Amino acid sequence: DIQMTQSPSTVSASVGDRVTITCRASQSVSSWLAWYQQKPGEAPNLLIYEASSLESGVPSRFSGSGSGTDFTLTISSLQADDFAIYYCLQYNSYSWTFGQGTRVEIK
Amino acid sequence: QVQLVQSGSELRKPGASVKISCQTSGYTFTKYKMNWVRQAPGQGFESLGWINTKTGNPTYDPGFTGRFVFSLDSSVSTAYLQISSLKPEDTAVYYCARTFSGSQRPIDFWGQGTLVTVSS
Repeated sequence: DIQMTQSPSTVSASVGDRVTITCRASQSVSSWLAWYQQKPGEAPNLLIYEASSLESGVPSRFSGSGSGTDFTLTISSLQADDFAIYYCLQYNSYSWTFGQGTRVEIK
Repeated sequence: QVQLVQSGSELRKPGASVKISCQTSGYTFTKYKMNWVRQAPGQGFESLGWINTKTGNPTYDPGFTGRFVFSLDSSVSTAYLQISSLKPEDTAVYYCARTFSGSQRPIDFWGQGTLVTVSS
């Protein structure tokens, strides 16, 4: 299985801050990497697919970059609605795998 | 609008079975694969596999063969997950989630989740 390692596990930030979350794959996944946001008691919501494509309806303050093994999710100016857990997903291999999650909390 | 509506929470004893339903609406059922994913309490996600909604052919991820069975009732656009010989470590929220069949895309829409609790 391809292992996905996210960092940091928690980030403390304030409204208006720029936040960066990274995801590293144990082997290349090309650009087949997605990012999700999950709020308590809810299902995940797709933000980014194919490493850098913004899903329809997602605010433009979210962006993704990277290819191969190293990927980044950036929130350019954190809003109150963005405090949540973020997960990466690789969908390159036969068996998809998720990162362990990054909690974005209020500083 | 797209909806994936799952059946309600279940409590089972170890060794029992459970069947979860995922009723879909708002899109063409056979144009999307149906994935199953679980999330143990306070943990991350595990992919169980997916089912081809055109052919009914299931694909199970490693570690989820044997006790886990995916099925469909295409007449009512519904997918099912059955788990047998339940173990306490199967306690989790189980999600159905669709992916477009026509290209390499990730999950773009999830059901609301079904909590399965396995406890004596």
